[in-house]
Amino acid sequence: EAQVTQNPRYLITVTGKKLTVTCSQNMNHEYMSWYRQDPGLGLRQIYYSMNVEVTDKGDVPEGYKVSRKEKRNFPLILESPSPNQTSLYFCASRKQGALNTEAFFGQGTRLTVV
Amino acid sequence: AQSVTQPDIHITVSEGASLELRCNYSYGATPYLFWYVQSPGQGLQLLLKYFSGDTLVQGIKGFEAEFKRSQSSFNLRKPSVHWSDAAEYFCAVEFSGGYNKLIFGAGTRLAVHP
Repeated sequence: EAQVTQNPRYLITVTGKKLTVTCSQNMNHEYMSWYRQDPGLGLRQIYYSMNVEVTDKGDVPEGYKVSRKEKRNFPLILESPSPNQTSLYFCASRKQGALNTEAFFGQGTRLTVV
Repeated sequence: AQSVTQPDIHITVSEGASLELRCNYSYGATPYLFWYVQSPGQGLQLLLKYFSGDTLVQGIKGFEAEFKRSQSSFNLRKPSVHWSDAAEYFCAVEFSGGYNKLIFGAGTRLAVHP
């Protein structure tokens, strides 16, 4: 079954404690991205990757890092989380450069930073 | 700047009533257009998409959407709403040269009364 898997689904952490949210896809997609969802703002792109070792900032990259060492994995790293990063996070993957393709989304990770 | 607007934050309809969710975009050319649905605690599921051709597109779960170039709109419709349609709906666009980036509207939360 084609899927994007995020872990954990729920996370409560304290300010400043480094954390990583993992994302893995089994569709051999080149393009992967991270979004955060906040009420009234929809989904905003944090970072994206067009292939292995190719990453770039999205619209709201401050406070986040990513890496793409393997095609299937695209972890999101918060080196020093702050309360304003409390949000619902989604990972997505998509076949790069092809028309008529859809993005597949993970189930989401609800992060609370206290 | 490219943007997507969903004017209605909340909509409430009665079960069996018709539904129309509005979406407008700001862009000089025709983008690729999508509607996603997010059920409580779930990820995003693609309802339908428009790339080219017939401006009335059919999707899953009985939804359809019509692209109107003159109005820069891509409104989502359903002739008879079911209680299970209660969810949040997101319009998204991809602009040419956008490197597969999706830009989302703020979302419309649909409530269905029995």
